[in-house]
Amino acid sequence: LAKTTQPISMDSYEGQEVNITCSHNNIATNDYITWYQQFPSQGPRFIIQGYKTKVTNEVASLFIPADRKSSTLSLPRVSLSDTAVYYCLAPLGDYKLSFGAGTTVTVRA
Amino acid sequence: DTAVSQTPKYLVTQMGNDKSIKCEQNLGHDTMYWYKQDSKKFLKIMFSYNNKELIINETVPNRFSPKSPDKAHLNLHINSLELGDSAVYFCASSQMAASGTDTQYFGPGTRLTVL
Repeated sequence: LAKTTQPISMDSYEGQEVNITCSHNNIATNDYITWYQQFPSQGPRFIIQGYKTKVTNEVASLFIPADRKSSTLSLPRVSLSDTAVYYCLAPLGDYKLSFGAGTTVTVRA
Repeated sequence: DTAVSQTPKYLVTQMGNDKSIKCEQNLGHDTMYWYKQDSKKFLKIMFSYNNKELIINETVPNRFSPKSPDKAHLNLHINSLELGDSAVYFCASSQMAASGTDTQYFGPGTRLTVL
């Protein structure tokens, strides 16, 4: 079963930009790519969503190439409070929702 | 005024017991979900209901039985608990059908420990 693939972990320092790439070769044609953030002992929460090209909000940017087989979440100037697990959700059609294992981002002072 | 709530937050029980986890959403959403998150943070969908109708039923042992008395509630009953059932279970809801595009709102999770 095709699924999403993202790095297991990434380390960074405060003030740096963090980019997390998710591979989703079999994303459904009409579905969006959504990223969620999860802090310890909490449920995941929505941070950004896009269909193609670039989307930016107050928290992050999302870059999606034309073939939509991958997407990159960009967190500008991270702080200690951005330490969390980040999940990419790329639906595979027919209600196949694959969150995967997420990427644990650790921000150090 | 919590959007998606789950009870209990922690559940410790013995192997072989039967237990239930309750979930309620006050967002007026049509679709609700149950997810299982293991110790490696892998978040896997188990079930989804849209307007009380089951629409997603992933490969889950039939010891797990969801029940949706109305579209604001989706409870999870687990029979004959096993050690491997230990995990954090998340309930979520979304406005429309479970396409994945619709934003999902998650509850705080229920940490189940089977001894």
